[in-house]
Amino acid sequence: GAGVSQSPSNKVTEKGKDVELRCDPISGHTALYWYRQSLGQGLEFLIYFQGNSAPDKSGLPSDRFSAERTGGSVSTLTIQRTQQEDSAVYLCASSFKDEQFFGPGTRLTVL
Amino acid sequence: AQSVTQPDIHITVSEGASLELRCNYSYGATPYLFWYVQSPGQGLQLLLKYFSGDTLVQGIKGFEAEFKRSQSSFNLRKPSVHWSDAAEYFCAVGARGDYKLSFGAGTTVTVRA
Repeated sequence: GAGVSQSPSNKVTEKGKDVELRCDPISGHTALYWYRQSLGQGLEFLIYFQGNSAPDKSGLPSDRFSAERTGGSVSTLTIQRTQQEDSAVYLCASSFKDEQFFGPGTRLTVL
Repeated sequence: AQSVTQPDIHITVSEGASLELRCNYSYGATPYLFWYVQSPGQGLQLLLKYFSGDTLVQGIKGFEAEFKRSQSSFNLRKPSVHWSDAAEYFCAVGARGDYKLSFGAGTTVTVRA
């Protein structure tokens, strides 16, 4: 079956521009997560969605970051006024119970 | 707060040799422990997980891990590595009902012929 998909796979943008990253979770998975993976670092939790509950945004590094999940399925992570330190791989995961399934990630490069 | 330490940033191993990757965690309650593998350009794939029960856990691709509560460790092992095992490996800790996983910084494994 289809796994978690993310688009685009690569994104190069200029400092100050806004970007949108998309995640399509596995059908039927109620939970969706966004992580950031910086060079040489582990995964940093950003945000968590579970069903219709209010998302846990505690990991978002600044108010330039936001995310939404429409219809309990597709999610979009938006970064406004991108900075060079935002360059990283952004990973999305979805889960039904305790195991998280990860997408291939979006590599964001801010010039 | 929970945390994970992977002491080895990079390990080089010969094909056919054994491999052991170290993972130490800090967590106040009974942890859920995971090992993930990430090949270049790929997402993370779950190798194995420990929730409870037998402390020696078997996973995919011939990997196993042993949970040692007294040492707060969850080391990953493979008896004989293949060139395809070259990748980055992440240990993670969580808890039942706590959706946030804490990941270690990862260990990069290089396999030489």
